[in-house]
Amino acid sequence: AQSVSQHNHHVILSEAASLELGCNYSYGGTVNLFWYVQYPGQHLQLLLKYFSGDPLVKGIKGFEAEFIKSKFSFNLRKPSVQWSDTAEYFCAVVTDTGKLIFGQGTTLQVKP
Amino acid sequence: DGGITQSPKYLFRKEGQNVTLSCEQNLNHDAMYWYRQDPGQGLRLIYYSQIVNDFQKGDIAEGYSVSREKKESFPLTVTSAQKNPTAFYLCASNQGDRSYEQYFGPGTRLTVT
Repeated sequence: AQSVSQHNHHVILSEAASLELGCNYSYGGTVNLFWYVQYPGQHLQLLLKYFSGDPLVKGIKGFEAEFIKSKFSFNLRKPSVQWSDTAEYFCAVVTDTGKLIFGQGTTLQVKP
Repeated sequence: DGGITQSPKYLFRKEGQNVTLSCEQNLNHDAMYWYRQDPGQGLRLIYYSQIVNDFQKGDIAEGYSVSREKKESFPLTVTSAQKNPTAFYLCASNQGDRSYEQYFGPGTRLTVT
């Protein structure tokens, strides 16, 4: 069965620290990959997405993610986090059937 | 202002009662989805509909029912058969093609006691 795994469930960083959140998926076919973010009290919103082409994709607010097909990974990165990045982050994959499968989520807490 | 609305934001029910959660979109999207969000489990798909008058079960459909009589509306009924209904419910929509991102509503937090 297709699945998405996020390795870090709860991450605590100080402002200006670098961030990398891991995401691995198990699906051998063509995938579209997404990172969504849920800020406290707000809607779940798209951070960035990968469909094809350059495996390094850039999203909003300085986030980027790299698709490594051989590792079935789509890790999220940001060089320097801010307090306002405190949120829950979800990795997701769309399979050939069109279903969106989410990882368990990672709660990021940034200390000012 | 286009978007997805869910009402109410908070809902409280007694065990054994059915309850219907509302989801409306004015984005002219063909497809709509219902997810359940539980701490540490991410979002799990309950039901989805790719066109009016048609819908399919997701991964955790037991104890839930839906209808899609209008393109803009996709209500979810949590029945008394759902063993653990207390959760945060999110509605989403997109153009229906797998390459299109899904847009999410603000969610409804249902508490059943």
